[in-house]
Amino acid sequence: EVQLVESGGVLVPPGGSLRLSCAASGFTFDDYTMHWVRQAPGKGLEWVSLITWDGGSTYYADSVWGRFSISRDNSKDSLYLQMNSLRTDDTALYYCGKDREAFGEFPLEYWGQGTLVTVSS
Amino acid sequence: DIQMTQSPSTLSASVGDRVTITCRASQSIRNWLAWYQQKPGKAPKLLIYEASSLESGVPSRFSGSGSGTEFTLTISSLQPDDFATYYCQQYSTYSGTFGPGTKLEIK
Repeated sequence: EVQLVESGGVLVPPGGSLRLSCAASGFTFDDYTMHWVRQAPGKGLEWVSLITWDGGSTYYADSVWGRFSISRDNSKDSLYLQMNSLRTDDTALYYCGKDREAFGEFPLEYWGQGTLVTVSS
Repeated sequence: DIQMTQSPSTLSASVGDRVTITCRASQSIRNWLAWYQQKPGKAPKLLIYEASSLESGVPSRFSGSGSGTEFTLTISSLQPDDFATYYCQQYSTYSGTFGPGTKLEIK
């Protein structure tokens, strides 16, 4: 059974930094592109970033480009999101997601339950 | 950047109704479109990919169509479990822009 478990979400002041983690199990992690998607309270979904199966390529939404960095450790079946220069509008539930097909990009077939990041003074 | 719109933003319907949700892209995305269902407090669920391919395990009352810039999600006969919010997502570029969502409510 595929499982994705996010962690690391906390209350952080504006301008602060945070690292989210996603622990994966139940599939061959290093065959799949992985994503971060966020959802502000009461709002819609916003795709944040992806990293290809080998970590060789990364892509970001314009809203986080230059502030967030996605990475993965295939030896630990883990995905990460380093978030710097956080702003109040980064407040959201952050989901980790797995691609539907090996060695592809999109769509997201499996999602975690999310970790809540709150940016506030 | 490709922008996505959905209509309507809210849809009121009854069990047994046939409903259609429309998603439009600001430029052609060929058939690189997915539909997701999200219920309150839950993660989204993939329903349709490549505009018209039904994800495994998804009931056949769900169907998708379209290409280029205009797409539709149709539920042929609404069931109580279908009342949720639906999102489209384009993935023709390396950025998976979502539409703003359509909330399907019980009439």
